[in-house]
Amino acid sequence: AAGVIQSPRHLIKEKRETATLKCYPIPRHDTVYWYQQGPGQDPQFLISFYEKMQSDKGSIPDRFSAQQFSDYHSELNMSSLELGDSALYFCASSTRQIAKNIQYFGAGTRLSVL
Amino acid sequence: DQQVKQNSPSLSVQEGRISILNCDYTNSMFDYFLWYKKYPAEGPTFLISISSIKDKNEDGRFTVFLNKSAKHLSLHIVPSQPGDSAVYFCAASALPGGGADGLTFGKGTHLIIQP
Repeated sequence: AAGVIQSPRHLIKEKRETATLKCYPIPRHDTVYWYQQGPGQDPQFLISFYEKMQSDKGSIPDRFSAQQFSDYHSELNMSSLELGDSALYFCASSTRQIAKNIQYFGAGTRLSVL
Repeated sequence: DQQVKQNSPSLSVQEGRISILNCDYTNSMFDYFLWYKKYPAEGPTFLISISSIKDKNEDGRFTVFLNKSAKHLSLHIVPSQPGDSAVYFCAASALPGGGADGLTFGKGTHLIIQP
């Protein structure tokens, strides 16, 4: 079965640069979520989109923005990168057609800021 | 303020025995709970979930118990197998009915199954 696809898997950037992470949800899933997991930490919810509209907002810094496109894929844009942004970034998807908030996760993008 | 707490960073269990992973929560608005399993270099994999209207949900070797009055849930794995060695995350949501709310995770418990 198709899973959530994230690209790139690894990304190295310098301080103050920008980064764009991409997420392709499971086919027919209408909701996308972004999470950040620092070293030894639990995943922290950043933001979610349902049907291309922002749905819920967590601890997303103002330097980050995200959107969901007409094909339901999502992009997380990160600007003015800081050393503390180094983390694993997970995308997850779900569908409201199933009356459960079960989120299926991608393999993540490891961002290293030097 | 950690709203979902997994107080055991690691747990070692002998193969074939029962593994019990515990999770406590503080937010009374949580009413849907999920367990995820995570291997290194992979994303969390959904295991099992439970709604607050139930106190038990079973799926094969995995059973989740919910004690709503104690704000406590546990995941039982019987029998434990070597492939179960992974980090297990407890997660909670305040919208079980198809909402798009983010999940609140605990810090995880590293389960090690000894042969």
